[in-house]
Amino acid sequence: EAGVTQSPTHLIKTRGQQATLRCSPISGHTSVYWYQQALGLGLQFLLWYDEGEERNRGNFPPRFSGRQFPNYSSELNVNALELEDSALYLCASSFEGSGSPLHFGNGTRLTVT
Amino acid sequence: QKEVEQDPGPLSVPEGAIVSLNCTYSNSAFQYFMWYRQYSRKGPELLMYTYSSGNKEDGRFTAQVDKSSKYISLFIRDSQPSDSATYLCAMSGYNNAGNMLTFGGGTRLMVKP
Repeated sequence: EAGVTQSPTHLIKTRGQQATLRCSPISGHTSVYWYQQALGLGLQFLLWYDEGEERNRGNFPPRFSGRQFPNYSSELNVNALELEDSALYLCASSFEGSGSPLHFGNGTRLTVT
Repeated sequence: QKEVEQDPGPLSVPEGAIVSLNCTYSNSAFQYFMWYRQYSRKGPELLMYTYSSGNKEDGRFTAQVDKSSKYISLFIRDSQPSDSATYLCAMSGYNNAGNMLTFGGGTRLMVKP
């Protein structure tokens, strides 16, 4: 069974540009979660999508946004990039319903210069 | 105060030692408890998953949850150099939050041959 896949693996952008990160969940999983892992800050919850709808978002500015497609894959967009957006962005998927554990991809390393 | 506290380490042990990793938390709403292992430049990998209080064993790994003390532990028996990684505790169970996880900051473990 294929795991959660993310692309690209690495992304280098300049301050002020936009970044688009992509995620394909495990087959059968309908929920997708995005987390940011910045150096020294641990994993911070960004966004949760289920059945194409945004269900919850963490304490991040509106320039962090995303969507979920009918095939349950997801996209994270970061506009007006700032230097502090440099981090590992992790996508996870799970079955719908409480108690289903999250399975993570290997992330996209975003570097903003 | 963070919702989930975890000693960052690093924790250095000789090969074959028993390792004890711990987390404390403050929110009594948490019902599902997980341990993830993260190797450098990789995403977190689910190791153990428990619901409510009690013990769970899987090979060399044992997870314990004490909800009355808001304290969870992961024990690794016969530790191996390949166990060297960062270990993250995570919890979920909020109403209307799906399976969104709140993470500890991670403990870096080094097992020396």
